Amino acid sequence: DTEVTQTPKHLVMGMTNKKSLKCEQHMGHRAMYWYKQKAKKPPELMFVYSYEKLSINESVPSRFSPECPNSSLLNLHLHALQPEDSALYLCASSQDRAGTYNEQFFGPGTRLTVL
Amino acid sequence: EDKVVQSPLSLVVHEGDTVTLNCSYEVTNFRSLLWYKQEKKAPTFLFMLTSSGIEKKSGRLSSILDKKELFSILNITATQTGDSAVYLCAVYYSGGSNYKLTFGKGTLLTVNP
Repeated sequence: DTEVTQTPKHLVMGMTNKKSLKCEQHMGHRAMYWYKQKAKKPPELMFVYSYEKLSINESVPSRFSPECPNSSLLNLHLHALQPEDSALYLCASSQDRAGTYNEQFFGPGTRLTVL
Repeated sequence: EDKVVQSPLSLVVHEGDTVTLNCSYEVTNFRSLLWYKQEKKAPTFLFMLTSSGIEKKSGRLSSILDKKELFSILNITATQTGDSAVYLCAVYYSGGSNYKLTFGKGTLLTVNP
């Protein structure tokens, strides 16, 4: 299985809602990532988990809360988002964070719209 | 300040043309450079380059890295309409105790029939 899956594919939420994005991989990768991508822009790194521990938080607002329940799963909990948070949210995984071989496999993304 | 700069930002060619996409970078503690192709959804991996002068090849695509001059090129020969996409270059490097993957802005390639 060489795939990263993400659910849901699309999400529309109001500014007072609480929702979660989910990401799963079964490649035995120990590093997982959340990226945010706005239209016509490159992906921007949000969080990195390495061996189920948060190792990088790129100054992301607290309305985004990541969680890594186990080595295969990565969640992103959303609360009190703003319309400018509307974007494509990409999950990725790699063998590890610091190794030489660090190709990142991306999931298909969740298209988030905040009304 | 952009650490990864791609050029051109957009390019329009006809089927059968050969294109060269450029990526220059300026980071400390370089680990690797990656090329991705992004169509409508998530980026898909093309190449990872860690050593200078060794060409990586996959079908009509090839890429090479120059660590002395800090750049990489991605070549696509005999382009097809299916090659139309944004091509992203990303550099993996360490800064202190952290490792980062920083993307360039991408090159939008349009291949017309």
